[in-house]
Amino acid sequence: GQQVMQIPQYQHVQEGEDFTTYCNSSTTLSNIQWYKQRPGGHPVFLIQLVKSGEVKKQKRLTFQFGEAKKNSSLHITATQTTDVGTYFCAVRGGSNYKLTFGKGTLLTVNP
Amino acid sequence: KAGVTQTPRYLIKTRGQQVTLSCSPISGHRSVSWYQQTPGQGLQFLFEYFSETQRNKGNFPGRFSGRQFSNSRSEMNVSTLELGDSALYLCASSLGPRADGANVLTFGAGSRLTVL
Repeated sequence: GQQVMQIPQYQHVQEGEDFTTYCNSSTTLSNIQWYKQRPGGHPVFLIQLVKSGEVKKQKRLTFQFGEAKKNSSLHITATQTTDVGTYFCAVRGGSNYKLTFGKGTLLTVNP
Repeated sequence: KAGVTQTPRYLIKTRGQQVTLSCSPISGHRSVSWYQQTPGQGLQFLFEYFSETQRNKGNFPGRFSGRQFSNSRSEMNVSTLELGDSALYLCASSLGPRADGANVLTFGAGSRLTVL
């Protein structure tokens, strides 16, 4: 099935610092989705990227899809304590488009 | 509209027992996926159902099974429980398969299973 590598596994920042997590695939992706899971919660859909080179913004969050559609990034500007959680990328592959999640990046923010 | 509902939310079982977890999708959603989440392995895909048919299956032993009913509600069953089955089991629903694979999942709160 489709595999995706997500780095880093953990990231601790001071409030106000920026944060970036990356997802990389060895094959071309049709699209990529990002989800956030708060501690003790469940994954919640953030955004989907479809087009090569696509950039989407949600307030302080910026999502990018690589030109070759093999990698993606999520960047948070000026982190806040509300940003704490695990950020997952997810990609579809295989004959029936099974959705496979990356291992996730756990973000902690020191106030 | 109501979200994805999973029951029970918490349960404790002993090794060798079996467990059934239930998932009610968002109204109008016909696809249900199940994931196992553990600290070490992250979100592992179990299976996906659409219109009562299993479309996809992950790499889990046959002890893990599921089904979907005509009203799109789904259940998963784990037989002969092992300690390693302790995990958060998440159900997610979506409208259904798309040719571009772009359907988005809405997750339930999960069922936390502890096997003693």
